[in-house]
Amino acid sequence: QVRLVQSGGGVVQPGTSLTLSCEASGYSFSDFALDWIRQTPDKGLEWVAEISYDGSNSYYADSVKGRFTVSRDSSKNTMYLRMNSPRVDDTAVYFCARGRVAHGDYFDFWGQGSLVVVSS
Amino acid sequence: QLTQSPASLSASVGETVTIFCQASQSISTYLTWYQQTPGQAPRLLVHSASTLQAGVPSRFSGGGSGTHFSLTISNLRPEDFATYYCQHSSRPLLFGRGTKLDIK
Repeated sequence: QVRLVQSGGGVVQPGTSLTLSCEASGYSFSDFALDWIRQTPDKGLEWVAEISYDGSNSYYADSVKGRFTVSRDSSKNTMYLRMNSPRVDDTAVYFCARGRVAHGDYFDFWGQGSLVVVSS
Repeated sequence: QLTQSPASLSASVGETVTIFCQASQSISTYLTWYQQTPGQAPRLLVHSASTLQAGVPSRFSGGGSGTHFSLTISNLRPEDFATYYCQHSSRPLLFGRGTKLDIK
């Protein structure tokens, strides 16, 4: 069965960096896009970034563009989110999700979530 | 922008409820519904406005197009009490603020 298992997360100081990982299993990794979505009580669910099935294209929400980088390693079936210069308002639970892009862009399987707290 | 209504809803087991999602401009059928229980990731229920995801019970149904969409849950079961989100499945990938369904 399809599984997305996340690692990383924790407390990070503003202006430093943190990398989240998302290891996929149960399907052909290179056939699907992957996304990061975050959730806070205040803002709800917010799409963060997407990387295409082959890693050739990536897309970002304006709120993280230039600070976060999404990447994937097909040899490890793993996607990453590098968070540079995190801000207090990046504090959230971060989910990875498999993207379905045939008719629109939606998410059929999700990771368990990783809490990121940005605090000095 | 997606506006969900109501923000919260109380119902009893066995009842039928409908949740609404309104887009600020026409989005054709690029609308997805998710269910989330506390501490869990969202679960895909319906995509393309009305296509039930594999494995989702048939008591869930989605409808609408353009700017008005709905998710109906028939014959509510205890496991259906959760928060429901709509998502615009075309960029920008926006989510609604959710509708919390709890037991009356």
